[in-house]
Amino acid sequence: NAGVTQTPKFRVLKTGQSMTLLCAQDMNHEYMYWYRQDPGMGLRLIHYSVGEGTTAKGEVPDGYNVSRLKKQNFLLGLESAAPSQTSVYFCASSYGQKEYFGPGTRLTVT
Amino acid sequence: GQQVMQIPQYQHVQEGEDFTTYCNSSTTLSNIQWYKQRPGGHPVFLIQLVKSGEVKKQKRLTFQFGEAKKNSSLHITATQTTDVGTYFCARGYSGAGSYQLTFGKGTKLSVIP
Repeated sequence: NAGVTQTPKFRVLKTGQSMTLLCAQDMNHEYMYWYRQDPGMGLRLIHYSVGEGTTAKGEVPDGYNVSRLKKQNFLLGLESAAPSQTSVYFCASSYGQKEYFGPGTRLTVT
Repeated sequence: GQQVMQIPQYQHVQEGEDFTTYCNSSTTLSNIQWYKQRPGGHPVFLIQLVKSGEVKKQKRLTFQFGEAKKNSSLHITATQTTDVGTYFCARGYSGAGSYQLTFGKGTKLSVIP
């Protein structure tokens, strides 16, 4: 099993550009999450999903959209990137309240 | 109301010394989880505590959940260079058919060989 995978690993965007981060899990988990991690801020929840076709807002959802069309995939979209969205983005899936994290995507917005 | 506070933010220890990080909440926790993130890596689940006063051990790591379920601690005995990383506590809560974690800001541990 690959566990949780994320693509891409690194990305540099210019302000105003859009992009989609892909998260995939092969563990058949119902719950999936997107977090951002900034220095000294810990992990903050952006959006989450409790199952295919469902999404909900987390602590810091503004500027992001998500979709869960397939159970194994959770997509995070930035429609118009801003420098404040420079961060490391982690996807996670969970089973029995234990979360499994992907390797992360380092995004820089200039 | 859902925040968990972690202290200290940073800790530098000599290899072989002990290390403790604390996690505190102003409200009662239903459970607390601990994660470790190595430099450049992703968070990895260590343990979940659920019961009041619970103590669990994993080799040199000891996890405690307070009697009032408002605080928790992680203690590492005789640190090694492999313990380097950031340790996060996270409170779990359920609501409206979902389950979420709120993470503390973490304690970054450096071990001097």
